[in-house]
Amino acid sequence: NAGVTQTPKFQVLKTGQSMTLQCAQDMNHNSMYWYRQDPGMGLRLIYYSASEGTTDKGEVPNGYNVSRLNKREFSLRLESAAPSQTSVYFCASRLGTGRVLDNSPLHFGNGTRLTVT
Amino acid sequence: GQQLNQSPQSMFIQEGEDVSMNCTSSSIFNTWLWYKQDPGEGPVLLIALYKAGELTSNGRLTAQFGITRKDSFLNISASIPSDVGIYFCAGQINSGGSNYKLTFGKGTLLTVNP
Repeated sequence: NAGVTQTPKFQVLKTGQSMTLQCAQDMNHNSMYWYRQDPGMGLRLIYYSASEGTTDKGEVPNGYNVSRLNKREFSLRLESAAPSQTSVYFCASRLGTGRVLDNSPLHFGNGTRLTVT
Repeated sequence: GQQLNQSPQSMFIQEGEDVSMNCTSSSIFNTWLWYKQDPGEGPVLLIALYKAGELTSNGRLTAQFGITRKDSFLNISASIPSDVGIYFCAGQINSGGSNYKLTFGKGTLLTVNP
């Protein structure tokens, strides 16, 4: 039982390049999330998917797109990377759908460390 | 949006000492969560609190959901070197619509000197 798996673990991009960060969970969770973590900023929500087939913007969505491919997988795409997107990206999932009265806790992957030069 | 003030930002303690950190907010939360992040890894859930006044323990860790629902604290007793890491609080509001609202504090970096 791997939990939440993210690939790749490390990536270096040049400004303007594109890439997709992959995330998969094997816990049969309904909702999935993408966060970025920057020094002194804590964890900020980029996008989330409350259930298969739906996606919504979080706090900092600009410059990103997401795809909920199926119940297990939720990918994050950078179409044209910028140095401001240098960060550690975390995928997370939870059993519930993130709607009212959903108290299920988030489970995180181990992160993708992205550097944009 | 909601903001969580987590303090202290960092702590340097000796092995064996007790540790206390807290989060406060101007908003009411329905759930408080405490996570620990080891270097190079993702945050791992330590304790979840679902009711105002609730006091929950997990080994040497104890956390409480404040009566006002605007604060929470985490205590670690008899610290050991493997307690080193960043501790995050997170609060959730169950909003009236379908919006998901989980707000994270900025973390407390704990260093334990053996």
